[in-house]
Amino acid sequence: DTEVTQTPKHLVMGMTNKKSLKCEQHMGHRAMYWYKQKAKKPPELMFVYSYEKLSINESVPSRFSPECPNSSLLNLHLHALQPEDSALYLCASAGDSHNEQFFGPGTRLTVL
Amino acid sequence: AQTVTQSQPEMSVQEAETVTLSCTYDTSESDYYLFWYKQPPSRQMILVIRQEAYKQQNATENRFSVNFQKAAKSFSLKISDSQLGDAAMYFCAYRSPWGKTSYDKVIFGPGTSLSVIP
Repeated sequence: DTEVTQTPKHLVMGMTNKKSLKCEQHMGHRAMYWYKQKAKKPPELMFVYSYEKLSINESVPSRFSPECPNSSLLNLHLHALQPEDSALYLCASAGDSHNEQFFGPGTRLTVL
Repeated sequence: AQTVTQSQPEMSVQEAETVTLSCTYDTSESDYYLFWYKQPPSRQMILVIRQEAYKQQNATENRFSVNFQKAAKSFSLKISDSQLGDAAMYFCAYRSPWGKTSYDKVIFGPGTSLSVIP
């Protein structure tokens, strides 16, 4: 299994809602990532988990809360988002044998 | 800090022709990894090709090949016999060597949007 899965594919939420994005990989990768991507722009790193511990937080606002319950699963909890948070949220994972990242298909988030 | 530059925001190529996308980077590290990723419209980002800096030989994957010039810090992607399915955003990316604290922080270039004309 060489894929990263993400659910849901699309999400529309109001500014007062609480929702979660989910990411899963079964490649035994030790690092998992959350990125935010706007149209025609490169992914912007948000968080990195390494061996289930948060290793990088790129000064992301607290309305985004990551969680890594186990080595295969990564969540991103969303609360009180702003319309400018509307974007494609990408999850990725990476092992250490080939060094590249494997990306999921993304969750397209719209905040109303 | 490392940076990655792609000087061509948009490019187009005729189907079956060859196109080269440019990427330059800045680093003080002697060992590192370089990647080209492809992201078709509304589709998943996938790895096109990978190059380890310690390898002098340019990487090749079918119709995709790179011209890696370490001294010039240049890493261009050549697509031969372009197909309609090659239309996508292409991102050049840099990764520090294993063991560095910056290893997990992959640096992406701004991207090049490639159109393929039938």
